[in-house]
Order: sequence, then structure tokens, then C-alpha cells
Amino acid sequence: DTAVSQTPKYLVTQMGNDKSIKCEQNLGHDTMYWYKQDSKKFLKIMFSYNNKELIINETVPNRFSPKSPDKAHLNLHINSLELGDSAVYFCASSPHLAGVIDTQYFGPGTRLTVL
Amino acid sequence: DQQVKQNSPSLSVQEGRISILNCDYTNSMFDYFLWYKKYPAEGPTFLISISSIKDKNEDGRFTVFLNKSAKHLSLHIVPSQPGDSAVYFCAAGGSQGNLIFGKGTKLSVKP
Repeated sequence: DTAVSQTPKYLVTQMGNDKSIKCEQNLGHDTMYWYKQDSKKFLKIMFSYNNKELIINETVPNRFSPKSPDKAHLNLHINSLELGDSAVYFCASSPHLAGVIDTQYFGPGTRLTVL
Repeated sequence: DQQVKQNSPSLSVQEGRISILNCDYTNSMFDYFLWYKKYPAEGPTFLISISSIKDKNEDGRFTVFLNKSAKHLSLHIVPSQPGDSAVYFCAAGGSQGNLIFGKGTKLSVKP
């Protein structure tokens, strides 16, 4: 069984479009994340979210918005796509328990290509 | 400004020998460190971690060493196997839960 799943795996779209990437985790974790891996291979946090708090990386444009219908899902909506948004986006989750190392479990990634 | 640095983009090792992957960090407030392994077209998978209060953690063929005074950690893989060939990411975490990743080191283990 897949612990953290993302759909779609590949997404090709035109500039200016609005798109969504879905993420689901069946681990019962409280916290979910979105990461972006750009062409330079840096893996950078975009958002972290639990049912209490959304923490946004200040460098993320407000065209990007996370939406969580429930604890097991954190979807990423992107408005007015730009060429620079092309990257691989990874969803992750963690139990986020105080006092222990917060291991994060990653999805397989979604490769977004903006033409 | 990279808080976590992996200065070697690639490493090639013969099967059976030791692989040593290095990582440096700048923020002394990190509480723990993790190593992730990533195969092409897959997400990173957790490998091993170490708390900032320890200097060594071992799990089978994998050992992570932490030198807090030097702000340096390393991952040792002994013996290296061809299936270990992947990109290895060092990551650091703190109270907020967010992980700061290094750029990764591509390990190639040759038979």
C-alpha cells in the first residue's frame, strides 16, 4: 500500500492556466508538506500544514495555495502558471510528535512542465 | 544562503568498499539530522537519522556521525552495494518541523 500518493505523476500545461496536484497519506499523520525541487535539484519547503496551523515559506508566490479537505489530504493549487513553476513537486507527511525526530515520508513526486 | 551543504555532487565507489557522504550545516539550532535516499522518478525515502545530542547512530550497513563543533555530519555505508546507487540527501530539522535539505550527492557503486 502506498503511504503517500500524489496525482498526477506528470502534468504538462500552458502558461496562464490554473492546475491542481493532489496528495493523500494513509499513515494517520498530523502534518503534511509540499516541497519543490527545481532544475538545480534543490528540495525546498513550500508549506507545512496540520489541522491547526499553516506555515508558508515566505518565498512562495501567493499563486500557490494549499487546500486540505481533511487530515489525510493536502492538495496544491497553482494559479496563473508561469514557466518558472516547472519543477518536481513532492508531497510529504510526518507524525510531528514533540520530542522525537520528525521523519517525513515523501510521495513519488509530480513533474510539472509549463510550456 | 544554503544552511545545509553537500559539497560533493557525486561519488563513485567500488562494490564492497566504504562510501562516505559528507554534509555541512551552518545553523547550530538544528535539533536533528536525517539522510534520505532517492532513486530516479521516486520520492526521497528515509534512511537514517541522528539527534543533535548524539554523535553516532548505526543501522545495519549505515552509520551516521555527527560532529557538532565542526557542524559536520557524514553517512558511512559499509560494505557498499550496487543497489545503494542513488542520490543521497542530507536534511536538518528543528522545532518547526520543516526540513532543510542539501543539494544531494549522487552515489555510484560499481560492481
